[in-house]
Amino acid sequence: GQNIDQPTEMTATEGAIVQINCTYQTSGFNGLFWYQQHAGEAPTFLSYNVLDGLEEKGRFSSFLSRSKGYSYLLLKELQMKDSASYLCAVRSSGGSYIPTFGRGTSLIVHP
Amino acid sequence: DAGVTQSPTHLIKTRGQQVTLRCSPKSGHDTVSWYQQALGQGPQFIFQYYEEEERQRGNFPDRFSGHQFPNYSSELNVNALLLGDSALYLCASSLGRGGWPGYTFGSGTRLTVV
Repeated sequence: GQNIDQPTEMTATEGAIVQINCTYQTSGFNGLFWYQQHAGEAPTFLSYNVLDGLEEKGRFSSFLSRSKGYSYLLLKELQMKDSASYLCAVRSSGGSYIPTFGRGTSLIVHP
Repeated sequence: DAGVTQSPTHLIKTRGQQVTLRCSPKSGHDTVSWYQQALGQGPQFIFQYYEEEERQRGNFPDRFSGHQFPNYSSELNVNALLLGDSALYLCASSLGRGGWPGYTFGSGTRLTVV
């Protein structure tokens, strides 16, 4: 099976930088996703990492270290609208490529 | 271009009843996956449909069943509802089972069992 761990809740200040960590244990790793989910809304795709390193996309960046089973999502220049749950999901060949989600990290951005 | 649409948005059912939830995938997508999301939890995989067949199933009892139609839309049926089935049910569509680079989710159906 897969085990995915991420902090339950984080708070940050508008304009600041926040890093949301995700650690995982799986066999046959085949990619890691980050999704954003506002309360009562659909999860929306943010990033996908399958190779080690940093992927940058505007204010959001995602990092992966396969040897450490570790990823983080970096959010820069935080805005109030970034208050949401951030879901880490891992795909493995053993799971027929179905992403398994962590419980999500609730990020609260305050003025 | 419509994304994933789900109906109904909210539903209240009594314990023991049956419910059917519906999903229309994003245009161009052929695969539908269903997830259950309890409050404060991440989505839990129920099953995936591709080419009108259930291709993969998560750890859910047989009370949960589904169907995919030739136009790729899908239904999720839950029989003998339990209080613990109260959750947000998310439909995710993709082109192909792997869903490169990620699934497109609908806004979900909020099911409350009383």
